[in-house]
Amino acid sequence: DGGITQSPKYLFRKEGQNVTLSCEQNLNHDAMYWYRQDPGQGLRLIYYSQIVNDFQKGDIAEGYSVSREKKESFPLTVTSAQKNPTAFYLCASNGHNPPEAFFGQGTRLTVV
Amino acid sequence: GIQVEQSPPDLILQEGANSTLRCNFSDSVNNLQWFHQNPWGQLINLFYIPSGTKQNGRLSATTVATERYSLLYISSSQTTDSGVYFCAVESVYSGAGSYQLTFGKGTKLSVIP
Repeated sequence: DGGITQSPKYLFRKEGQNVTLSCEQNLNHDAMYWYRQDPGQGLRLIYYSQIVNDFQKGDIAEGYSVSREKKESFPLTVTSAQKNPTAFYLCASNGHNPPEAFFGQGTRLTVV
Repeated sequence: GIQVEQSPPDLILQEGANSTLRCNFSDSVNNLQWFHQNPWGQLINLFYIPSGTKQNGRLSATTVATERYSLLYISSSQTTDSGVYFCAVESVYSGAGSYQLTFGKGTKLSVIP
């Protein structure tokens, strides 16, 4: 099956801990993205990567970090510096022709 | 940056009714997509429609890029159509090949039997 896989589906974090969210795609897309969604809101861009070993900050990058060592993988780390990490996190990848975005099923992160 | 406004914010329909959702954007775009977020949070692609009109079954969409709006039509609504509908756009100024999407806040649709 072609698509985007995010794991885990649910994640609980204690205060002060770093956690890493996984995102894998087998669509052979160059571009990948991380978005954050808060209740009743649209999605906001955290980080994106257009090519392996390169990534750019989005609108709300503070308290997050990413890596892009392989084309298929774009993990997101939510660090202890992120003041309000409880949210729904969505990973996406983009084709070129057409430049259509496809999303994973999301990870719901809760700080306990 | 580009602003995206969706209306109405909430919509309640009787099963079988038709509806029109609107997306206004503040700048020229080279990408516009409509998504349906189901109750489990998954975003389902509905249309890639930077301009023109497309139809897929009971759904259709029209984007008038020169007037900076897009419309999503749902005909003969079903309870499975419930969820949140998002419009997302990429500004022409976002940088070549970045494909950065800016989302509206969505329209929450509830279809009742």
